[in-house]
Amino acid sequence: SQQGEEDPQALSIQEGENATMNCSYKTSINNLQWYRQNSGRGLVHLILIRSNEREKHSGRLRVTLDTSKKSSSLLITASRAADTASYFCATVGGFGAGTRLTVKP
Amino acid sequence: NAGVTQTPKFRVLKTGQSMTLLCAQDMNHEYMYWYRQDPGMGLRLIHYSVGEGTTAKGEVPDGYNVSRLKKQNFLLGLESAAPSQTSVYFCASSYPDWQPQHFGDGTRLSIL
Repeated sequence: SQQGEEDPQALSIQEGENATMNCSYKTSINNLQWYRQNSGRGLVHLILIRSNEREKHSGRLRVTLDTSKKSSSLLITASRAADTASYFCATVGGFGAGTRLTVKP
Repeated sequence: NAGVTQTPKFRVLKTGQSMTLLCAQDMNHEYMYWYRQDPGMGLRLIHYSVGEGTTAKGEVPDGYNVSRLKKQNFLLGLESAAPSQTSVYFCASSYPDWQPQHFGDGTRLSIL
């Protein structure tokens, strides 16, 4: 079974809005990673957050990690149409089923 | 720098046929992985390798075999294809100890 589970399964927003995706996992981790997948392509690594970190930023991405709740969130600020993709969290136990994000121009 | 290259990109097989999917990486990564991706189920790990000459089972290994004769290549074999193996197959590679994985663009396999 998958370690990471994303919520929501699908999210549709307007360009310029923020998008928040959540991930829950089951066991202890050393780090948690987020990936993006454009339609018909392989996954691309976005950001890694270690278990001793609570927040990490990369450009318009902000990731938080709460190890006590075994959860993480990915925030994309000022979204663009090009952000339309599926987003996956991953731990040592595997990948979640993903959140499908659609950003409307 | 090609990264991870998967061959072929598309294939249609008949039930019972066999085939081999090839994955090649040029990043000198120790770890390599094979996943399958089905609608609504994310990625499931089939087999992985932690170095040349080593392989290990993942979450869904049945019906598949793998080989890692060279560090840069990881082969996935289907000995007798079944319709349930219709999927998109992804190969990935990484440095050891759960570092970020680099993915190929997938092989879309249909089994009739």
